[in-house]
Amino acid sequence: RKEVEQDPGPFNVPEGATVAFNCTYSNSASQSFFWYRQDCRKEPKLLMSVYSSGNEDGRFTAQLNRASQYISLLIRDSKLSDSATYLCVVVTGNQFYFGTGTSLTVIP
Amino acid sequence: EPEVTQTPSHQVTQMGQEVILRCVPISNHLYFYWYRQILGQKVEFLVSFYNNEISEKSEIFDDQFSVERPDGSNFTLKIRSTKLEDSAMYFCASSLRPTRSENSPLHFGNGTRLTVT
Repeated sequence: RKEVEQDPGPFNVPEGATVAFNCTYSNSASQSFFWYRQDCRKEPKLLMSVYSSGNEDGRFTAQLNRASQYISLLIRDSKLSDSATYLCVVVTGNQFYFGTGTSLTVIP
Repeated sequence: EPEVTQTPSHQVTQMGQEVILRCVPISNHLYFYWYRQILGQKVEFLVSFYNNEISEKSEIFDDQFSVERPDGSNFTLKIRSTKLEDSAMYFCASSLRPTRSENSPLHFGNGTRLTVT
């Protein structure tokens, strides 16, 4: 079973829409969780950490459900500039495990 | 904001040649990593480095690969005899604290695109 599973999409949404991505992880001992954004042929960039109580940064909300072993990312009021691949990253022990990424295209 | 820097941005080499990819991690970071990403595929872990030694490595990181921290700032990845399938984007990353602590994310460099012909 993969450490991290993520729906690759693609998600094509109109500007202004709300879109949500989920990511599941297999190891209940995983201790840290992050969402990264990756533009085409660029490096992954940290979007936000995911805290146990859930956290929000502007239009972005991240949540962690330890019981069901998934994390989610909600983007409200999508902008054209949100088009990218979103990677969930799960830390277990000393290892960072990457999901395959979910592709998002925001359409005018 | 401090950043991880990588050179060169693009390296073209012939099969069988040695390449060295260079990275300067963020100065107060303690953990260093190399990842690779074949075009269109997921980010794959190669190796992590802490306290001047390899802490973990993946199956990809075979005897053809080595890492070194030759001085206090550089962190290099060497591929001894490149193969066609080594063509990929190679990312260096660093993190501040040991990963058992919460919220110590990876900071990535902008990558070196390696093309093996």
